[in-house]
Amino acid sequence: ETGVTQTPRHLVMGMTNKKSLKCEQHLGHNAMYWYKQSAKKPLELMFVYSLEERVENNSVPSRFSPECPNSSHLFLHLHTLQPEDSALYLCASSRAGGDYNEQFFGPGTRLTVL
Amino acid sequence: GQNIDQPTEMTATEGAIVQINCTYQTSGFNGLFWYQQHAGEAPTFLSYNVLDGLEEKGRFSSFLSRSKGYSYLLLKELQMKDSASYLCAAMDSNYQLIWGAGTKLIIKP
Repeated sequence: ETGVTQTPRHLVMGMTNKKSLKCEQHLGHNAMYWYKQSAKKPLELMFVYSLEERVENNSVPSRFSPECPNSSHLFLHLHTLQPEDSALYLCASSRAGGDYNEQFFGPGTRLTVL
Repeated sequence: GQNIDQPTEMTATEGAIVQINCTYQTSGFNGLFWYQQHAGEAPTFLSYNVLDGLEEKGRFSSFLSRSKGYSYLLLKELQMKDSASYLCAAMDSNYQLIWGAGTKLIIKP
């Protein structure tokens, strides 16, 4: 595997289900990100982990819970979601720190909440 | 507040040139990124500008004017495979990316 991978690619869940999204990066990066992408809207940054510590949480509802066990893996745990949470969830990674740090994206998980 | 503006959709003809504009307002500025995203795929990096001027990379060029809060992506010799969304993102003083909603580019034969 190369680059940034995400599983599953598609997920349909009911509002009472609990599921997890997984992201793995094979680029030797030490910062990872979760984004939400809705149609015709800007990418919304949800969570940022740098050196395995969460450094950004942009007022995301508690029904989304991130986990970063190491610098290569990132999870997004989902529970009691709402239909408006249906979107494409993108994971990205980069080198940590400031200055130029191009983000590399995974293919995303297309989530549908019924 | 922080804001990125870019056109929602543009149409161009195969073989032609198209310019996609982006204006930004951020708290501090640490550079401007352009990404390409084909339908159902991940965004991929195209260019990064932090100094004023034009950066050329093959058929694609990106321009930045910091004083005007303005950038554009120029695509030459358009090919059908260039049909995609083009995302503009500015990096603020906290080195976080502020994203535009993307410009959907439609290429017609």
